[in-house]
Amino acid sequence: GAGVSQTPSNKVTEKGKYVELRCDPISGHTALYWYRQSLGQGPEFLIYFQGTGAADDSGLPNDRFFAVRPEGSVSTLKIQRTERGDSAVYLCASSEPGDGSYEQYFGPGTRLTVT
Amino acid sequence: AQSVTQLGSHVSVSEGALVLLRCNYSSSVPPYLFWYVQYPNQGLQLLLKYTTGATLVKGINGFEAEFKKSETSFHLTKPSAHMSDAAEYFCAVRLGGNGNKLVFGAGTILRVKS
Repeated sequence: GAGVSQTPSNKVTEKGKYVELRCDPISGHTALYWYRQSLGQGPEFLIYFQGTGAADDSGLPNDRFFAVRPEGSVSTLKIQRTERGDSAVYLCASSEPGDGSYEQYFGPGTRLTVT
Repeated sequence: AQSVTQLGSHVSVSEGALVLLRCNYSSSVPPYLFWYVQYPNQGLQLLLKYTTGATLVKGINGFEAEFKKSETSFHLTKPSAHMSDAAEYFCAVRLGGNGNKLVFGAGTILRVKS
């Protein structure tokens, strides 16, 4: 079956601009996660959705970052007034709900470059 | 707080040699532990996981890892390296409480020499 997909695969934007990154999870997965992976580092948690609601947004670095999942499937990560420090690969993952033992399936990521 | 330390940002082995990638964690509760592999320009793929039960877990591509509570370690091994194992490997621990978010180590790049 289809895995997690993310669009675009690459995004170059100018400092100060607004960007949206999209994630299509595996069908039927109610849990969805966003992570950010900076160069030379492991992924860092941003936000977790269970269904339509953000169950944990403690990883969002500041109020320029926002994410939605209005119908409990596709999610969009939104970044306002982008800064050069936002440049990273943004990873989306989905999983079945449960006790945390379920595998998180990762998409290929969106590479964001802020110039 | 939970954290993960991967010793060695780069590991180089010869083809056919033992692969050992080290991971130590800190956790205030019994952890769920994971190893993921990332090939260039691809997403992370789960190699194996420890949740409960047997402490020696086997994963895909001949990899295995052993959970050692007394050492707070979850090292990844493979008896014989193959060229196709060259990739970056991440150890992760699941945070308890609300949700299942993962805390990742910084990663170890494995190079396999012919």
